[in-house]
Amino acid sequence: QQKVQQSPESLIVPEGGMASLNCTSSDRNVDYFWWYRQHSGKSPKMLMSIFSNGEKEEGRFTVHLNKASLHTSLHIRDSQPSDSALYLCAAMNYGSSGNKLIFGIGTLLSVKP
Amino acid sequence: GPKVLQIPSHQIIDMGQMVTLNCDPVSNHLYFYWYKQILGQQMEFLVNFYNGKVMEKSKLFKDQFSVERPDGSYFTLKIQPTALEDSAVYFCASSRLGGSSYEQYFGPGTRLTVL
Repeated sequence: QQKVQQSPESLIVPEGGMASLNCTSSDRNVDYFWWYRQHSGKSPKMLMSIFSNGEKEEGRFTVHLNKASLHTSLHIRDSQPSDSALYLCAAMNYGSSGNKLIFGIGTLLSVKP
Repeated sequence: GPKVLQIPSHQIIDMGQMVTLNCDPVSNHLYFYWYKQILGQQMEFLVNFYNGKVMEKSKLFKDQFSVERPDGSYFTLKIQPTALEDSAVYFCASSRLGGSSYEQYFGPGTRLTVL
């Protein structure tokens, strides 16, 4: 069964610091990774997606993908207290007729002022 | 941005009763999804629905579950009868089209408690 593993489970960074979150899929058919952010009691909101090897940057957020190892990472620079949330990594494979996302358990990020 | 609404936000029912969870997807979206999240565990795919049909369902989508979207109305998940293990948060999502590159927009979830 396909699994998506995220690490660490929780992370505390100081305001202004860099947060680095990791995610690996066990399914070699994965072709897309999505990063969602979920504040407590709210909807998961898509942050970034990636399907090509390399990196992609949007503002303070950078995502990396290594397709050979099926590993993706999300980096948040100049972290703010408002970044405190649960970060979910999700993978989708091109064999899925139902477009199902396979989620990891998430990384709980806390940014301390 | 586009919003998915879910009604109700919380529902408490007795085991064996029927429950219907309602989802109002983004207006021009064609693909609809339900995911289930048990406390402390990851969110898991239940079912995908397009053009009036179930496209794919997981093993979590038991025979007691059904989905539909009558024209112009909510996309619904019905559980009949409910069991204790159905207690979870159910998230609805929608996407404009299918395929890996189309973002799924999520609602805030319905917390279902089966007593």
